[in-house]
Amino acid sequence: AQSVTQPDIHITVSEGASLELRCNYSYGATPYLFWYVQSPGQGLQLLLKYFSGDTLVQGIKGFEAEFKRSQSSFNLRKPSVHWSDAAEYFCAVGTGYSTLTFGKGTMLLVSP
Amino acid sequence: DGGITQSPKYLFRKEGQNVTLSCEQNLNHDAMYWYRQDPGQGLRLIYYSQIVNDFQKGDIAEGYSVSREKKESFPLTVTSAQKNPTAFYLCASSTGTDNSPLHFGNGTRLTVT
Repeated sequence: AQSVTQPDIHITVSEGASLELRCNYSYGATPYLFWYVQSPGQGLQLLLKYFSGDTLVQGIKGFEAEFKRSQSSFNLRKPSVHWSDAAEYFCAVGTGYSTLTFGKGTMLLVSP
Repeated sequence: DGGITQSPKYLFRKEGQNVTLSCEQNLNHDAMYWYRQDPGQGLRLIYYSQIVNDFQKGDIAEGYSVSREKKESFPLTVTSAQKNPTAFYLCASSTGTDNSPLHFGNGTRLTVT
């Protein structure tokens, strides 16, 4: 069965520093991969998605992610974090029949 | 603007009562979904529907029921059989193809005491 692992429950980054959030997936076929962001008490907003082609994908708010098939990873990156980036981030894999399987999330804290 | 509306934002019920959460979308999407979110658990799929008058169970369907009588609406009923109903419930929709992203509502926080 498909699964998504986000190894870090919490990450604290200084404002202006770079960010990398890890995501590993387990899925037998070619995956469809997504990153979402959630502010407290809100729904999820799509940051970016990977279907095929270029393994480095650009998203909104200055985020990017790189698909590495050999490592079954889809890590999210941002060169310089802003205080407004503090939120919870979810990685998800498309599993056919239009459903998604989500990881448990990584909470990003931004320190001054 | 198109989007997904969940109502109410906060809902309180006594144990033993059924409660229905509303979800409406005006994105003309074929597929709709209900997820449950608990702290540290991520999102877990309750039910989904790819077309009107049809729906499938997700990973944690026990104690829940849904209907899809209209394309725009996908209400979720939390029944008294759900052993731990207090949670944050998220409704989503998509075009229904395998690579289509989900669009989410802002959620309903249900508290059962």
